[in-house]
Amino acid sequence: EAGVAQSPRYKIIEKRQSVAFWCNPISGHATLYWYQQILGQGPKLLIQFQNNGVVDDSQLPKDRFSAERLKGVDSTLKIQPAKLEDSAVYLCASSSPKNEQYFGPGTRLTVT
Amino acid sequence: DQQVKQNSPSLSVQEGRISILNCDYTNSMFDYFLWYKKYPAEGPTFLISISSIKDKNEDGRFTVFLNKSAKHLSLHIVPSQPGDSAVYFCAASAGYALNFGKGTSLLVTP
Repeated sequence: EAGVAQSPRYKIIEKRQSVAFWCNPISGHATLYWYQQILGQGPKLLIQFQNNGVVDDSQLPKDRFSAERLKGVDSTLKIQPAKLEDSAVYLCASSSPKNEQYFGPGTRLTVT
Repeated sequence: DQQVKQNSPSLSVQEGRISILNCDYTNSMFDYFLWYKKYPAEGPTFLISISSIKDKNEDGRFTVFLNKSAKHLSLHIVPSQPGDSAVYFCAASAGYALNFGKGTSLLVTP
């Protein structure tokens, strides 16, 4: 069974630029999550999708972050414009019906 | 507001001995708890979980204990192996979203 795929693995941008991350969940997993992990911290949930609908985006900074999951499979997370404090690893996860979340390798974003 | 706390940033254990990683939580609504292991440059990998209706779950060398009255859980690894060296995250859920601790870095020395 293929795992959660993410791209790119690394991205370096300047502040005020925009960036987009892509995630392909495990086949058949209806629930998809985006997490932000700042160095030295645990992952923090940004947004949760159930199929193509948003379940929880209460911690998503909506003035600069957006996410979509068209057709209930792949998802993209966008940051526009980026700030220095957005430097982090962005993790995508999908969950089985038992709510065991499986994570992708993450995208390490550096904002300079 | 950190609802899941891992108060030990690091732990060093000799190969063959027991590793005990601890986790405390504050939200009494949490009913499902998980442990993840993370290697550098990789995403967290699911290790073991426990529902709040149980107080122990075992999977091979890994056992998770839950003490609901103390809002405390622990992960025991017996025997510890050098390949277990990684960062271990405790996570708790009251539905679908996971709340993570800051992690404990485990080093198993030969």
